[in-house]
Amino acid sequence: AQSVTQLDSHVSVSEGTPVLLRCNYSSSYSPSLFWYVQHPNKGLQLLLKYTSAATLVKGINGFEAEFKKSETSFHLTKPSAHMSDAAEYFCVVIEGGFQKLVFGTGTRLLVSP
Amino acid sequence: GAGVSQSPSNKVTEKGKDVELRCDPISGHTALYWYRQRLGQGLEFLIYFQGNSAPDKSGLPSDRFSAERTGESVSTLTIQRTQQEDSAVYLCASRPPGLGTDTQYFGPGTRLTVL
Repeated sequence: AQSVTQLDSHVSVSEGTPVLLRCNYSSSYSPSLFWYVQHPNKGLQLLLKYTSAATLVKGINGFEAEFKKSETSFHLTKPSAHMSDAAEYFCVVIEGGFQKLVFGTGTRLLVSP
Repeated sequence: GAGVSQSPSNKVTEKGKDVELRCDPISGHTALYWYRQRLGQGLEFLIYFQGNSAPDKSGLPSDRFSAERTGESVSTLTIQRTQQEDSAVYLCASRPPGLGTDTQYFGPGTRLTVL
């Protein structure tokens, strides 16, 4: 079975500093991986996805993630945090022929002025 | 265009009552998923519908949970004899047809509180 592990439940950064949200995956083959963001009282929004076309994936709002097979990682980064980035971030892997999403436990990003 | 919509947005019910949650997928999306998100946790898969095929119910936590979908339209998730542990946000997502279309589009969710 596929799974993802988000290594930090909370990450705190100052506005303007880099963001790193860590995710490791477990898969018997090359997985499809996603990052979703959930702002308070809003629905889940897709940030970016990896589907083997390129190891460095660029998403919306300046986020990007790098797929590293040797490290089984798919960490999410952003060079400079903005206050509006404060939200819950989920690393997600697809499982099964019907493409069930398997979610990590989430990382809450806090951005201080 | 319109996204996935869910109703009600909030539902408070008493333990033992039945509740029905509704999901309207994006028009033309053949795949529909229900997930549950308990407080402070990630999403758990509940059930999957694909067109007129038999649904995959492997994620339903008990026989108190059931879901229906008519064709490629609205879906309803029913929880019978609700328990306090059913309190969660129930999210619906839909996905367009075709190979390589792996992005799921989520609705805003229904927050269920069982007293």
